[in-house]
Amino acid sequence: DAKTTQPTSMDCAEGRAANLPCNHSTISGNEYVYWYRQIHSQGPQYIIHGLKNNETNEMASLIITEDRKSSTLILPHATLRDTAVYYCIVNILSGGSNYKLTFGKGTLLTVNP
Amino acid sequence: GAVVSQHPSRVICKSGTSVKIECRSLDFQATTMFWYRQFPKQSLMLMATSNEGSKATYEQGVEKDKFLINHASLTLSTLTVTSAHPEDSSFYICSARSADRVTFGYTFGSGTRLTVV
Repeated sequence: DAKTTQPTSMDCAEGRAANLPCNHSTISGNEYVYWYRQIHSQGPQYIIHGLKNNETNEMASLIITEDRKSSTLILPHATLRDTAVYYCIVNILSGGSNYKLTFGKGTLLTVNP
Repeated sequence: GAVVSQHPSRVICKSGTSVKIECRSLDFQATTMFWYRQFPKQSLMLMATSNEGSKATYEQGVEKDKFLINHASLTLSTLTVTSAHPEDSSFYICSARSADRVTFGYTFGSGTRLTVV
């Protein structure tokens, strides 16, 4: 069972910031928050992950609340190519490679011209 | 970065035949690979976990005799859909993560669109 809750869909204007929320109220202390996205008919693409500190990379920023029960993925300047389903996943990060990722339904982000 | 290659990207087969899908980790060794299935407008559903040199672990409800998984090397896992039926038509996706590259999570293949006619 997915341990996260996301809105089904969101719209964003091209060039504006897209803020995608995720609730993970049952997250454990050793679980990270991962974000992936899936463009139509492609495999999921890794975006970013974090434990409790805010994170930023070339693709996005991840803001995690202090109680870690929710997070927000921010695409600072959305483009049409960012239209995709965005998945928020919680999982353990460890040296073992057999921790399986469980996908929820994700958020369909549509970036409009 | 880590790259996973999946082949073929599309395949059409007749009912009753078998289809093999390959998943390769190109620049890292993957002791574990995962196979997912995705029906239209639905999320990814994990089918099985493929472990190098041992039997795969299947999720509940997935028929292991129908979906044969072989992980004979650290860079290759295959999924064979045996005696395919139209209801097996779906988008199949593999993923992998190197045991010594924990930073970036899991890398996914580009998927295989299977159509059974």
